[in-house]
Amino acid sequence: ETGVTQTPRHLVMGMTNKKSLKCEQHLGHNAMYWYKQSAKKPLELMFVYNFKEQTENNSVPSRFSPECPNSSHLFLHLHTLQPEDSALYLCASSQDRMDSPLHFGNGTRLTVT
Amino acid sequence: AQSVTQPDIHITVSEGASLELRCNYSYGATPYLFWYVQSPGQGLQLLLKYFSGDTLVQGIKGFEAEFKRSQSSFNLRKPSVHWSDAAEYFCAVGTSGTASKLTFGTGTRLQVTL
Repeated sequence: ETGVTQTPRHLVMGMTNKKSLKCEQHLGHNAMYWYKQSAKKPLELMFVYNFKEQTENNSVPSRFSPECPNSSHLFLHLHTLQPEDSALYLCASSQDRMDSPLHFGNGTRLTVT
Repeated sequence: AQSVTQPDIHITVSEGASLELRCNYSYGATPYLFWYVQSPGQGLQLLLKYFSGDTLVQGIKGFEAEFKRSQSSFNLRKPSVHWSDAAEYFCAVGTSGTASKLTFGTGTRLQVTL
C-alpha cells in the first residue's frame, strides 16, 4: 500500500473521447502532482497543487485539465488527446518542502488510439 | 538550472554480484539528492535521500549512496544484488524550496541474471 491510489490502472481512449484520471492520497500531504512518464524521456512534471491551489502548470496543452477539490484528491480530465499523449501518468504527493520525498501512485497507463 | 545525468541506460549484473549505479548532477550549492526505484507496472518508490551531514546514506532494501561534492556525484551501491532488484532506478536532484523543483534523470534499467 503506497498511500497514493490511482484509478484506472489502464485506459484506452479514442482521440474524441473525454475521460478522467483519479488520484487519492491518504498520507495527510498538502501538495499533489501529476507527472507524465514516456519511454526514454525524463519524468515530466505537469501540474502541482498546494493546498488545493494550482501552483505550477508546466506549459501543458489545454487538452489536459487538472482539478483538485481538496488536499486528498486530484483529477486529470482528458479531452481530444493525441496519440503522442500515450504514456504512464503518475500522481504523487508530499509536504510542499524539498526535504519531503514524493510518494507516487502506481500510475495510469494511457493509450490514445 | 540544475540537471542530473545517469550515464548508464542499461546495466546487467549477476545475482550476488555488487552493483554501482552512477548519478552526476549539476548545481552550484549543496543539492537535495534522491534515488527512486520503479518496478514494472509500479510507481516510483524512494530508496534513500541526502540533504546534509554524513555523506554516506543508507536506504531501504540494502542500498546505500555516497555524496561526493568534488565529483558532483551521488552513486547508488549494493554489495550483493538479488533477482528482485531488477527494476529501473532514477536519480533526482532538487534545490531548496519545494518538491516541485525536483529534476529526475532518465533512469538506469537494471537486469539481474541468475
